[in-house]
Amino acid sequence: AQSVAQPEDQVNVAEGNPLTVKCTYSVSGNPYLFWYVQYPNRGLQFLLKYITGDNLVKGSYGFEAEFNKSQTSFHLKKPSALVSDSALYFCAVRALSGANNLFFGTGTRLTVIP
Amino acid sequence: DSGVTQTPKHLITATGQRVTLRCSPRSGDLSVYWYQQSLDQGLQFLIQYYNGEERAKGNILERFSAQQFPDLHSELNLSSLELGDSALYFCASSGTDRAGEKLFFGSGTQLSVL
Repeated sequence: AQSVAQPEDQVNVAEGNPLTVKCTYSVSGNPYLFWYVQYPNRGLQFLLKYITGDNLVKGSYGFEAEFNKSQTSFHLKKPSALVSDSALYFCAVRALSGANNLFFGTGTRLTVIP
Repeated sequence: DSGVTQTPKHLITATGQRVTLRCSPRSGDLSVYWYQQSLDQGLQFLIQYYNGEERAKGNILERFSAQQFPDLHSELNLSSLELGDSALYFCASSGTDRAGEKLFFGSGTQLSVL
């Protein structure tokens, strides 16, 4: 089976400070990992993905994520948070079946405080 | 705008009723995915279609069914509705079924079962 866990329901960070949203995964074999963001009253939007290669993945809106195989983690990071980054963030893993459907974590609500 | 269109945006109905949710994928996308988002269960994968054929099945109840038509739009049919079916239903699409391809999400249909 495959799954991801987001241990924090809520993360608060001051504007201009670095932010981290945590994700750990459980997958047999090589994981395909993703981050999506959901703004209020909107669908999810793709931020970035890790399939293979460099452990540091850069994505949209200045976000990046670090794949750590030994810790089975894929934390989302940004050097300097903006108020507009406030949203719901989902980590996801691709199904093992070979299809492209994703299994999502429970989500982490990020609030950036002005 | 993701290019994925879902109708209706809101749907209010009564227990025991049947409803149909519609999704038009991005132009040219062959794969359609349905997800259910609720407060207690998070974002759950329901079913995926690729070029008219069922590709993967998730936590979809027997009371629910879906199909993808020759013009690639998809419909999710929910019958014998229960209070617990109240949720936000998302459709997503991708160009193909290749692993790692990002999903484009619609804005969702908010279903309220009273």
